[in-house]
Amino acid sequence: DAGVTQSPTHLIKTRGQQVTLRCSPKSGHDTVSWYQQALGQGPQFIFQYYEEEERQRGNFPDRFSGHQFPNYSSELNVNALLLGDSALYLCASSGGGRAIETQYFGPGTRLLVL
Amino acid sequence: AQRVTQPEKLLSVFKGAPVELKCNYSYSGSPELFWYVQYSRQRLQLLLRHISRESIKGFTADLNKGETSFHLKKPFAQEEDSAMYYCALSGWAAGNKLTFGGGTRVLVKP
Repeated sequence: DAGVTQSPTHLIKTRGQQVTLRCSPKSGHDTVSWYQQALGQGPQFIFQYYEEEERQRGNFPDRFSGHQFPNYSSELNVNALLLGDSALYLCASSGGGRAIETQYFGPGTRLLVL
Repeated sequence: AQRVTQPEKLLSVFKGAPVELKCNYSYSGSPELFWYVQYSRQRLQLLLRHISRESIKGFTADLNKGETSFHLKKPFAQEEDSAMYYCALSGWAAGNKLTFGGGTRVLVKP
């Protein structure tokens, strides 16, 4: 099991563009969470997907949206990119549906907005 | 609102010395507390979780609900312990999302 995988590893975009990041969960996991980690800070929760629906959302604008597919993989979309969206985007997966399960993280996608 | 505070940005210790990383939290309800570690060029990984009550790589952490703390300790630091450490909180009231502290960088000098 490769664990949680994310693609791409790095991405450079310009202001106003749109970006899609992808995540494949650890085998057997059905819940995917996304986090944004700005330089020098801890990860911040964006949203969580379970059973193909957004179950919970953090304090992020509607420019951030997501999707979960039937195979539990997930996408994070960011529209109208701002310079402040430059960060490491982390995907985490967990199992057990509604239980407080340990989250396992992917390597992240580093996004640079110019 | 839930919050996790790690007051130290950097801890520098000598090999063989004890190390303690502080973590304080605020949360309404029964929290689930975690310590995650990120070694250089590696992904964020779970170090320990308070309900498991395990000692991982010689690290232990005790949940003190009275002081709302979950400090991480190791009696004898090793050079391979040099890494970034994050304290995180979850729970039913939090809807299973993780709230992280700002992290503490540990540098173990030879």
